[in-house]
Amino acid sequence: AQTVTQSQPEMSVQEAETVTLSCTYDTSESDYYLFWYKQPPSRQMILVIRQEAYKQQNATENRFSVNFQKAAKSFSLKISDSQLGDAAMYFCAYRSAGKGQFYFGTGTSLTVIP
Amino acid sequence: SAVISQKPSRDICQRGTSLTIQCQVDSQVTMMFWYRQQPGQSLTLIATANQGSEATYESGFVIDKFPISRPNLTFSTLTVSNMSPEDSSIYLCSVNYNEQFFGPGTRLTVL
Repeated sequence: AQTVTQSQPEMSVQEAETVTLSCTYDTSESDYYLFWYKQPPSRQMILVIRQEAYKQQNATENRFSVNFQKAAKSFSLKISDSQLGDAAMYFCAYRSAGKGQFYFGTGTSLTVIP
Repeated sequence: SAVISQKPSRDICQRGTSLTIQCQVDSQVTMMFWYRQQPGQSLTLIATANQGSEATYESGFVIDKFPISRPNLTFSTLTVSNMSPEDSSIYLCSVNYNEQFFGPGTRLTVL
């Protein structure tokens, strides 16, 4: 089975600063998707950004961008100009191209300091 | 997009009893997924439910403990049977509808 590792259980960042959350994964597949999800205290899982493995270009969504290193199996999330509303648990996730189930990392709790 | 609702949103149950969690989607989907999120932990896939066939369970989860129904393309139930305190978790329903959507979760506490 695929494994997803997030080595940072907790991170903090000053408001308006930039923070990078790390994620590595292990797979023998060549076609897959990677995701970052945000889970605020409300528990609702919110998609932050997704990356198709076949795309070399790193995905970006406004203040959120990823650094996808396929050979290194690394998928980090960069949050620029951090806002108080960014405080949440962030999960890195993997999904095979031909299947629907996700494999999640253990999560990184992000605190934004005013 | 797909909107997912779950009932109940939370419950407190006694050891040895069972609870059935409902998941309703506003769109027809082929596969529905049930996840468990134990306190302070990540999401773990319990099973995949296809309409008209038996659910496929992940390693460590069995049908007798977590029976699943999938009577149509917009609805599914997950039952947590013979509960123990170790079953205290958030249970989330999820579907893939162009992208992955998650329900709001059911917070279960077993005393």
